[in-house]
Amino acid sequence: EPEVTQTPSHQVTQMGQEVILRCVPISNHLYFYWYRQILGQKVEFLVSFYNNEISEKSEIFDDQFSVERPDGSNFTLKIRSTKLEDSAMYFCASSYRDLSNTGELFFGEGSRLTVL
Amino acid sequence: AQSVTQLDSQVPVFEEAPVELRCNYSSSVSVYLFWYVQYPNQGLQLLLKYLSGSTLVKGINGFEAEFNKSQTSFHLRKPSVHISDTAEYFCAVSDGGYQKVTFGTGTKLQVIP
Repeated sequence: EPEVTQTPSHQVTQMGQEVILRCVPISNHLYFYWYRQILGQKVEFLVSFYNNEISEKSEIFDDQFSVERPDGSNFTLKIRSTKLEDSAMYFCASSYRDLSNTGELFFGEGSRLTVL
Repeated sequence: AQSVTQLDSQVPVFEEAPVELRCNYSSSVSVYLFWYVQYPNQGLQLLLKYLSGSTLVKGINGFEAEFNKSQTSFHLRKPSVHISDTAEYFCAVSDGGYQKVTFGTGTKLQVIP
């Protein structure tokens, strides 16, 4: 069964360092997302991406964050200068159609980011 | 703006007993509703979804949910739980046409042998 894969599964970094989290969405999907879950808290929307541009972003997704689809398969989330409060589990998701059409997101297993 | 409330942060239940996990939503437009499950150290897996049509939705692993527009609820039920159902369950809502899914704070289901 097709699945969304994320790397790394766990990354530890020093505050102020740049981090890139990678995702390979399901191959025929057109919409891509990043969500995060701070330990013990709810899953929060960060950004959605379609047709090579951001379609929606939350207030969390400030100038320190960027997303990119550098080739036909990868979808990356970059945090330019990490802060302690960026420590969280980051989930990549993809969907084939607009959520109003099929309404299903497929999530990866997450990348745990620990900022020291 | 859309939001989801899951009033119960933890629900302990004995094995083979029935369970109901509560979810209430608010939205200014038509909604799409979802339940996701997260097993320990894993990602989110879709249990079931309501887009339109029948208000009783059946999902995987014997779970079902009922969409109640007048009460703005989408409670998740299972008639007989198993140890393997121990996980965290998230209710979520999406406004039609938008890309964002808003999650509730989650309910930890603890099945007791």
